[in-house]
Amino acid sequence: ELKVEQNPLFLSMQEGKNYTIYCNYSTTSDRLYWYRQDPGKSLESLFVLLSNGAVKQEGRLMASLDTKARLSTLHITAAVHDLSATYFCAVESSGGGADGLTFGKGTHLIIQP
Amino acid sequence: DAGVIQSPRHEVTEMGQEVTLRCKPISGHNSLFWYRQTMMRGLELLIYFNNNVPIDDSGMPEDRFSAKMPNASFSTLKIQPSEPRDSAVYFCASSPDPGQARYSNQPQHFGDGTRLSIL
Repeated sequence: ELKVEQNPLFLSMQEGKNYTIYCNYSTTSDRLYWYRQDPGKSLESLFVLLSNGAVKQEGRLMASLDTKARLSTLHITAAVHDLSATYFCAVESSGGGADGLTFGKGTHLIIQP
Repeated sequence: DAGVIQSPRHEVTEMGQEVTLRCKPISGHNSLFWYRQTMMRGLELLIYFNNNVPIDDSGMPEDRFSAKMPNASFSTLKIQPSEPRDSAVYFCASSPDPGQARYSNQPQHFGDGTRLSIL
């Protein structure tokens, strides 16, 4: 059974600081996803990571993937209040075709001025 | 472009009633997924379809839940009879075929969800 663990689950940080969210998964996977969810809203795709060593950046967010360690990180640089949200990583089982996602419990991020 | 469209957005009904949730995937997407989100269990996959065919329904809680996809542009998730513990936000998502190289980096696109409350 594929398991996905995120840490921390809660994070309160000040604007301007840097921090990293970690996502570990238990079995081989073809694809790893990062999503953002604002309260009462849907899930917004941030990154899709396909291969070992993949690194993607969008604004103050950067995601990386180490398939050998089964670890992905989401790094926040110089945080701003607008980044306050819940961040989920999700993993798709190997197989090549479309598959359902297994989600981590999410990291609830609060960025204080 | 229209995203994944779910209806209704909110549903409040009494225990024992039948509930039907609806989803229209993004045109051209051939995979459709139903997820449920609760505080206790987080986001869980219920069932998914490829090319209108159910592939994995192992996440469906019990026989009270059923899902259909009669065509490429419509899916339903039905609960009969409903129970208070079914209260949750139900999300539908769709994606193109990631087996095709041009779609390999496409995420699953989520609808706005249906917030279901069973009294």
